[in-house]
Amino acid sequence: EADIYQTPRYLVIGTGKKITLECSQTMGHDKMYWYQQDPGMELHLIHYSYGVNSTEKGDLSSESTVSRIRTEHFPLTLESARPSHTSQYLCASSDPGYNEQFFGPGTRLTVL
Amino acid sequence: AQSVSQHNHHVILSEAASLELGCNYSYGGTVNLFWYVQYPGQHLQLLLKYFSGDPLVKGIKGFEAEFIKSKFSFNLRKPSVQWSDTAEYFCAVKFYGATNKLIFGTGTLLAVQP
Repeated sequence: EADIYQTPRYLVIGTGKKITLECSQTMGHDKMYWYQQDPGMELHLIHYSYGVNSTEKGDLSSESTVSRIRTEHFPLTLESARPSHTSQYLCASSDPGYNEQFFGPGTRLTVL
Repeated sequence: AQSVSQHNHHVILSEAASLELGCNYSYGGTVNLFWYVQYPGQHLQLLLKYFSGDPLVKGIKGFEAEFIKSKFSFNLRKPSVQWSDTAEYFCAVKFYGATNKLIFGTGTLLAVQP
């Protein structure tokens, strides 16, 4: 079944650690996105990709980085986690006509 | 700047009550409009979308929304809510032009009391 997956679902980690949030989709979509969402706030786009080897920064500045080596995989990395990175991170992908974005379940990150 | 506003942050209704959630957006150009819903512990999923044609669109689970271009609005409605409609609802707009991304509202948390 075509879907979008994120791991881990929950992560609690100490300051200074390097972390990678995984996102994979089996829908064959070229376009993928990372959003950051704080409780009670809107989703903010932090990274997007229109295809392999294409990555762009979104509207909200983020210290994270992303890579897109394979169409189905769009990981997000924080080299040195800080408490200010505590948030929920949502991955999404969209169909060729950009008619709809499909979301993963999210990763809730807590940095102590 | 392009923006999306959802006026109701928290809404509490009793079952069978009617629902209307407001959504307004800036910018007068071409837009695609979406309502997403997030049930507790689940993914964000699409409720309905508008691209063109009939401004009254029907979505899943009895929801509908009306696009009023003159008011830059895309309000979500349901005539009779159920306890299972308890969720967070997000309006999103794709603005064409300089930026080609989806802009989300802040969300409305709906609690339906049995």
